[in-house]
Amino acid sequence: SQTIHQWPATLVQPVGSPLSLECTVEGTSNPNLYWYRQAAGRGLQLLFYSVGIGQISSEVPQNLSASRPQDRQFILSSKKLLLSDSGFYLCAWSVRHKNIQYFGAGTRLSVL
Amino acid sequence: GNSVTQMEGPVTLSEEAFLTINCTYTATGYPSLFWYVQYPGEGLQLLLKATKADDKGSNKGFEATYRKETTSFHLEKGSVQVSDSAVYFCALSERWGGSYIPTFGRGTSLIVHP
Repeated sequence: SQTIHQWPATLVQPVGSPLSLECTVEGTSNPNLYWYRQAAGRGLQLLFYSVGIGQISSEVPQNLSASRPQDRQFILSSKKLLLSDSGFYLCAWSVRHKNIQYFGAGTRLSVL
Repeated sequence: GNSVTQMEGPVTLSEEAFLTINCTYTATGYPSLFWYVQYPGEGLQLLLKATKADDKGSNKGFEATYRKETTSFHLEKGSVQVSDSAVYFCALSERWGGSYIPTFGRGTSLIVHP
């Protein structure tokens, strides 16, 4: 069966520090991968999605970047965190050409 | 572009009450519609879906019918339980090129009291 792992579960970082959140999927090949941010009272915002290794589409301009170095690995990064980067970050995957998404447990990021 | 509008929460109910969470959408084509549920501290999980007009999705006592004429996909449950307390997200998904790009609503928090 397929599983998605996301870590860390919780992260507290100072303003200006770098960020690296990792997401991996097991039990499937060639998945579509997604990064979302869930800010309090603002719902779910799609940040990036990827249809293959090295292929990243950005939905909104921001202080973050994403990379897909391997088929089932998706990384969310920042060189310098801002206070406004605080939130709950969710990774998700879907089967290529299918429209159901499967979510990880999320990472709670607090930038202080 | 596409958009999903959900009723504002929180929705507070007593156990065994009837639940309705409204959801309307705007889309350029013929999307699939979904309800996802997020329990405290967790990611989202699919609750139910419908892929075409008049389809009814159902799961765990929850139901929603794809109404194309009113562009709606309201979530209902006849008798809620305390364990249903969670945040519910309405979403649509349309195909762009070879991928499905989802659009989520803001989420509606449901609180069920014993």
